[in-house]
Amino acid sequence: GQSLEQPSEVTAVEGAIVQINCTYQTSGFYGLSWYQQHDGGAPTFLSYNALDGLEETGRFSSFLSRSDSYGYLLLQELQMKDSASYFCAVKGDDKIIFGKGTRLHILP
Amino acid sequence: NAGVTQTPKFQVLKTGQSMTLQCAQDMNHEYMSWYRQDPGMGLRLIHYSVGAGITDQGEVPNGYNVSRSTTEDFPLRLLSAAPSQTSVYFCASSYSSSPYEQYFGPGTRLTVT
Repeated sequence: GQSLEQPSEVTAVEGAIVQINCTYQTSGFYGLSWYQQHDGGAPTFLSYNALDGLEETGRFSSFLSRSDSYGYLLLQELQMKDSASYFCAVKGDDKIIFGKGTRLHILP
Repeated sequence: NAGVTQTPKFQVLKTGQSMTLQCAQDMNHEYMSWYRQDPGMGLRLIHYSVGAGITDQGEVPNGYNVSRSTTEDFPLRLLSAAPSQTSVYFCASSYSSSPYEQYFGPGTRLTVT
C-alpha cells in the first residue's frame, strides 16, 4: 500500500524560512509532488520531484531523497499569503495518494 | 479553457437518497480522479481513471460508483447516501505523462442529513 506522513501544523514568522517534511511508503515509486490549499479553495500544484535533489521554483523549493523515502518543501521569504495547508502526494503504480496535510501558520 | 468544472457547488441530501456529482474537463487529460476531504484527513482517493472506459478503486471506494464513457466527463454516483459521506468532494485531472501535476475543480460541498 501507500502512506505518507507529514506534520499536522507548522508555525513560522513572516520573512523567515520554513521546511515541511514528508516521509512516504509506496510500491512502485514514480515521484513526490506538493500542493497548496487555501481555506475554502481547491488544491493547486506547486512542485514535483522524480529524482533525488532540489527543485527550485521562485520562493518555493522541493527536495527528494529516494533512498530515505523522504522529501521536504522549503518556503523562503514567507509572506502572509503563504498561510495555507500544504500536502505531499506520491504516485505509486497508477494511484496518486495524498498526505493529511500540514497547516502553515505565519506570524507577523 | 474552463479547466475542471464541478456541479453542483453545494448539495444537501437525506439519508438513502442517491445523486450524481458531475465533473468535466476540457484539457484532454487522460487521468481523472475523485477525492473526498474531511477535516484532519487530507485528501482521500475514491476512484480514478487512466482513460475512457477504464476506472479503478482508490482508498475509500465503498458507497460510490464511477464511469468514464468520454475523455471529458467523470461523474461520481452516490448510491444510497449516508451521513458518513458528508464531505467536500474534489475532482482532478492530469496528463498521463505528468500525472503528478493534477488540476483540481472547485469542489462540491455535500451534506447528508
